[in-house]
Amino acid sequence: DAKTTQPPSMDCAEGRAANLPCNHSTISGNEYVYWYRQIHSQGPQYIIHGLKNNETNEMASLIITEDRKSSTLILPHATLRDTAVYYCSTLYGNNRLAFGKGNQVVVIP
Amino acid sequence: DAEITQSPRHKITETGRQVTLACHQTWNHNNMFWYRQDLGHGLRLIHYSYGVHDTNKGEVSDGYSVSRSNTEDLPLTLESAASSQTSVYFCASRPGGRTDTQYFGPGTRLTVL
Repeated sequence: DAKTTQPPSMDCAEGRAANLPCNHSTISGNEYVYWYRQIHSQGPQYIIHGLKNNETNEMASLIITEDRKSSTLILPHATLRDTAVYYCSTLYGNNRLAFGKGNQVVVIP
Repeated sequence: DAEITQSPRHKITETGRQVTLACHQTWNHNNMFWYRQDLGHGLRLIHYSYGVHDTNKGEVSDGYSVSRSNTEDLPLTLESAASSQTSVYFCASRPGGRTDTQYFGPGTRLTVL
């Protein structure tokens, strides 16, 4: 099972791009990388996922290194509403998501 | 709109009592999951199901059980509640493919006194 490691917390400035790193050095070739976020005590919310190519949607961009050992979630223009715990996860076994402790991101005005 | 709901949203119970937390999804997803979330531990998988009558243990399954009698529901039962089971519980579902999005319910905050 691939494990992920993230910094426990980080701050970013409102209006700037926020780059959230994740290490998944033991990921196998067919494991996807998923990103979720959790605002306050709400249920985690899906952001984006990818396998090897960079992905972009209306919420964020996902950059996966060529060796797939790490990835970066990019919030292009951080807002105060992006303050949340962000989870980098991998899909292992029979479609189970493995969550770490997450990265508490605080967007500062 | 399709959704996933949990009930109750908050519950206080006493040690030793049996408690059942409900999870209901209207997407007709095959896969359903129960997680618990505690400070310092992130989300940990309790039980999961890949379809009707299928149940599997996750990493923290002791003291919990689930049953899947239909596609829409996966109730979580605490056979004899313990104070260590005070936590926030999240239910989730996904269709079943490796690229499918997993959706989470709003959570149930359980306090065992």
